[in-house]
Amino acid sequence: QMQLQESGPGLVKPSETLSLTCTVSGGSISSSGYYWGWIRQPPGKGLEWIGTIYYSGSTYYNPSLKSRVTISVDTSKNQFSLRLTSVTAADTAMFYCVRVGFCSGGSCYDTLRYFDLWGRGTLVTVSS
Amino acid sequence: SFELTQPPSVSVSPGQTASITCSGDKLGNQYVSWYQQKPGHSPVVVIYQDNQRPSGIPERFSGSFSGNTATLTISGTQAVDEADYYCQAWDSYTAIFGGGTKLTVL
Repeated sequence: QMQLQESGPGLVKPSETLSLTCTVSGGSISSSGYYWGWIRQPPGKGLEWIGTIYYSGSTYYNPSLKSRVTISVDTSKNQFSLRLTSVTAADTAMFYCVRVGFCSGGSCYDTLRYFDLWGRGTLVTVSS
Repeated sequence: SFELTQPPSVSVSPGQTASITCSGDKLGNQYVSWYQQKPGHSPVVVIYQDNQRPSGIPERFSGSFSGNTATLTISGTQAVDEADYYCQAWDSYTAIFGGGTKLTVL
């Protein structure tokens, strides 16, 4: 059973860079049947998609964060990572790494994408 | 990108049917997924591809779609179903979430 686990600093200073890693266990991150991504949730608020990385290496980001976000994969460590630069207090949130499934009934299409596995989340606070 | 609109809250009595809607102008072109989030826990997908239920999700959860509105229906609602529910769809390669609906089982 594949599992995801986020790790990284729980406290980041304003204007600095937030860096998180998601370790994939119980399976290979190189599996062709999945994409990978990050979602965040400010305290008491709803879910906000940050971005997704496809196994082709292509990345797609939330337009509101695009200038500050980078998602990358390290297949040798079975991990993928998030970098968010120039953080402010508004970036304080629970950050979830997610697996994106896109297969159903033996067919695989990008139109079938959904977040089929979530990590437990890690709370990152931006404060001096 | 487009927006997904959900009612902020829905209340239901135990054993009754709860319906949570999700509307959006471009929804007719996309599949909708639904996620359940209980306090202090990560979200879990309960419906994907409009009406598909992942293994392990009780049969009382179902999804439907009509026009520009997706609906999550919980039949015979139980106290354990009290949670926040989020709909989600894709606008090309951008994921969009609804604002979430707090389901209260009175």
